Amino acid sequence: AQTVTQSQPEMSVQEAETVTLSCTYDTSESDYYLFWYKQPPSRQMILVIRQEAYKQQNATENRFSVNFQKAAKSFSLKISDSQLGDAAMYFCAYESGGSNYKLTFGKGTLLTVNP
Amino acid sequence: SQTIHQWPATLVQPVGSPLSLECTVEGTSNPNLYWYRQAAGRGLQLLFYSVGIGQISSEVPQNLSASRPQDRQFILSSKKLLLSDSGFYLCAWSRGTPATQYFGPGTRLTVL
Repeated sequence: AQTVTQSQPEMSVQEAETVTLSCTYDTSESDYYLFWYKQPPSRQMILVIRQEAYKQQNATENRFSVNFQKAAKSFSLKISDSQLGDAAMYFCAYESGGSNYKLTFGKGTLLTVNP
Repeated sequence: SQTIHQWPATLVQPVGSPLSLECTVEGTSNPNLYWYRQAAGRGLQLLFYSVGIGQISSEVPQNLSASRPQDRQFILSSKKLLLSDSGFYLCAWSRGTPATQYFGPGTRLTVL
């Protein structure tokens, strides 16, 4: 079974600075997808970014980018120019390419943004 | 565009009472549908998923059940709630490949 590990229960960053959230996963599959979701205080899960394992290029979405290291099974999220609205719980998630689309989540990292 | 609705937003129920949470999706057809539970301070646990009407897969044996009476409607039920059923319940949908899941606003359930 696949597992997703987020080793940082909490992180903090100063407004306008850059922060990196870590995620590692364990799988024997070659076809899979990785995601970062954000859960603000409203608790709705919001998709931040998605990475296909077959793509070597790291995904980017505006201020959010990932560092995908397939051999190391690492998938970190970098938030540039942090804003107060980035404060949230961030979850890393794995989806098998051959599955019926089930997501395996990490336990999350709580990000605080200091003004 | 697609939207997903959940209701109620908040629910307080006594132990032993029944439960019905509803999730509907608009703007797409034949979606995969999912129910998750999030206990306080924890990650998400997949409870049920459905790839079509009447097709339900259970991930965790427990006090809950799910049904999909219509293509874009997913219902989470219980005949008798337990204290341990308290939590935040999220519905999600996906379609295509990769099957990115999009979540609803959630229901906060407190069982007293």
